[in-house]
Amino acid sequence: DAKTTQPPSMDCAEGRAANLPCNHSTISGNEYVYWYRQIHSQGPQYIIHGLKNNETNEMASLIITEDRKSSTLILPHATLRDTAVYYCIAGSNDYKLSFGAGTTVTVRA
Amino acid sequence: KAGVTQTPRYLIKTRGQQVTLSCSPISGHRSVSWYQQTPGQGLQFLFEYFSETQRNKGNFPGRFSGRQFSNSRSEMNVSTLELGDSALYLCASRDSDTGELFFGEGSRLTVL
Repeated sequence: DAKTTQPPSMDCAEGRAANLPCNHSTISGNEYVYWYRQIHSQGPQYIIHGLKNNETNEMASLIITEDRKSSTLILPHATLRDTAVYYCIAGSNDYKLSFGAGTTVTVRA
Repeated sequence: KAGVTQTPRYLIKTRGQQVTLSCSPISGHRSVSWYQQTPGQGLQFLFEYFSETQRNKGNFPGRFSGRQFSNSRSEMNVSTLELGDSALYLCASRDSDTGELFFGEGSRLTVL
């Protein structure tokens, strides 16, 4: 798996957009970028993934740079329930997905 | 569609005992992965089974083992339990097309 680097923590104001960066400079051509989040004591929850193109779903948007060495997860309107640890992972469909330390996001009222 | 089911949710064991945890994946998913989560080490990959064969393996001692049955249900076993094995054990069922993992709620093991 490509190694990813994320900031350990970040704060966000409720109602504002939260932009979570991730570096994956060693990502290979067939590896996707996955984002998961984990709310305390629950199993991680899938958010979004992408290969080359930007992606959007009901939860978030994923912006991947043209060289694919970094990406940004955007939570458009953060709520208190978005407080969680967010994991960025680079991997392929049939290989193990390894979780790093993630970014602890705290949404403040 | 039912999600990933893990049993038991909570259990307490003593050092030296062994434990078996069970995971039922989402219907149609043939891949099951296991993770250990502790406050100090975070989420660590244990192993992945696909069609009854271990496909990937993490860096855990041989006391940690697993298997997968023909109906894709999986079990993991930890023998000769140590205090440091206290953790949340998470199972994830994987969509083979997208690679997306669907996690269960976990089995919380306490070793006394």
